[in-house]
Amino acid sequence: GDSVTQMEGPVTLSEEAFLTINCTYTATGYPSLFWYVQYPGEGLQLLLKATKADDKGSNKGFEATYRKETTSFHLEKGSVQVSDSAVYFCALSDRGAQKLVFGQGTRLTINP
Amino acid sequence: NAGVTQTPKFRVLKTGQSMTLLCAQDMNHEYMYWYRQDPGMGLRLIHYSVGEGTTAKGEVPDGYNVSRLKKQNFLLGLESAAPSQTSVYFCASSPVRGVGETQYFGPGTRLLVL
Repeated sequence: GDSVTQMEGPVTLSEEAFLTINCTYTATGYPSLFWYVQYPGEGLQLLLKATKADDKGSNKGFEATYRKETTSFHLEKGSVQVSDSAVYFCALSDRGAQKLVFGQGTRLTINP
Repeated sequence: NAGVTQTPKFRVLKTGQSMTLLCAQDMNHEYMYWYRQDPGMGLRLIHYSVGEGTTAKGEVPDGYNVSRLKKQNFLLGLESAAPSQTSVYFCASSPVRGVGETQYFGPGTRLLVL
């Protein structure tokens, strides 16, 4: 079945550092790809998404590019802030199923 | 516009007790979902609904039942709670099926089964 694998956490960085969180997927067909973020004590909210190969999703300084050839959707940000501390989930949605499959989540902590 | 709300926020149950978690959305979404979140496992789909009066099983449905009597509400029931059901439960909703549709999540219900 479909699956998503994220880089193991937790990840701890200093403010203004460069961030990469790796995400690879296995799916039949051509899924849509998502990054969701969960701030402490809250539910998940959409950070960005891409619906076809080579699309780049971006929001709040975060970016991820849908790479079909490497089945990846890595999350990047050039300069992180303390307020980016959260748990980040990569997910895919099969076009036919309208269901999300999540990775295990990566906890990110940014120190001032 | 409250989005997706969940009741209660936190609950402690004894093994064998029953309870119902309520999810409500005010966005007129057709699709609704129940997930559970466990450490190191991401979110796993329990049950979902593609419209009023319809429900379907997800990845981990055993021990849970659901009902969607009204479009805006999606109830998750535990008939006989077990310690393995200790988790954080999230409800989500999304508009009708479409490519890349976003799911909107509630704040979660933390359940502890002793």
